[in-house]
Amino acid sequence: GAGVSQSPRYKVAKRGQDVALRCDPISGHVSLFWYQQALGQGPEFLTYFQNEAQLDKSGLPSDRFFAERPEGSVSTLKIQRTQQEDSAVYLCASSARTGGDSYGYTFGSGTRLTVV
Amino acid sequence: GESVGLHLPTLSVQEGDNSIINCAYSNSASDYFIWYKQESGKGPQFIIDIRSNMDKRQGQRVTVLLNKTVKHLSLQIAATQPGDSAVYFCAESGSGNTGKLIFGQGTTLQVKP
Repeated sequence: GAGVSQSPRYKVAKRGQDVALRCDPISGHVSLFWYQQALGQGPEFLTYFQNEAQLDKSGLPSDRFFAERPEGSVSTLKIQRTQQEDSAVYLCASSARTGGDSYGYTFGSGTRLTVV
Repeated sequence: GESVGLHLPTLSVQEGDNSIINCAYSNSASDYFIWYKQESGKGPQFIIDIRSNMDKRQGQRVTVLLNKTVKHLSLQIAATQPGDSAVYFCAESGSGNTGKLIFGQGTTLQVKP
């Protein structure tokens, strides 16, 4: 596609539910990033994939957060047993370059998760 | 810019004026800096970037200035237009040069017609 596509755009989950957020990067992009953006804050890094390899997951806040990109294209961010503090916009970004050459990557519009 | 809690600093300018948005970054080892624009309901959109071996870079209507001595970054927008109204974030690479970006809190730019 022409841009990074994320689905769903909005998700409401009851506390304790599991959720899965999908990211379709720009076709052919090898690098994929997930960020979490709380209301009124800047995005915070969660994890980075180069093709199917998860090279950096240092930003995942707890073991309830899990991300995968099994075929090196579509990625899924899964949050288990959601809690209210997980409410945020989850942004995905992709780049044709890798590592320190990947900056300036393209973001999707995000998934707004609300945990009630 | 700096912010307290959920209140982003706001810059209000008249259409046609020049805007300057400031940012203090934290890591002296950062090699790369970038400005993003974010409109309501959308993801951040790339505006301009700069490497640490430069102190100024110009784009179309935008200029980024980097002062490594005081760890300060600024974005200048010439002839500000209503379409420039958005939240602006600076980001730095931090140490490691891995692709990960560390974002600041953001500044809201309001353009008055």
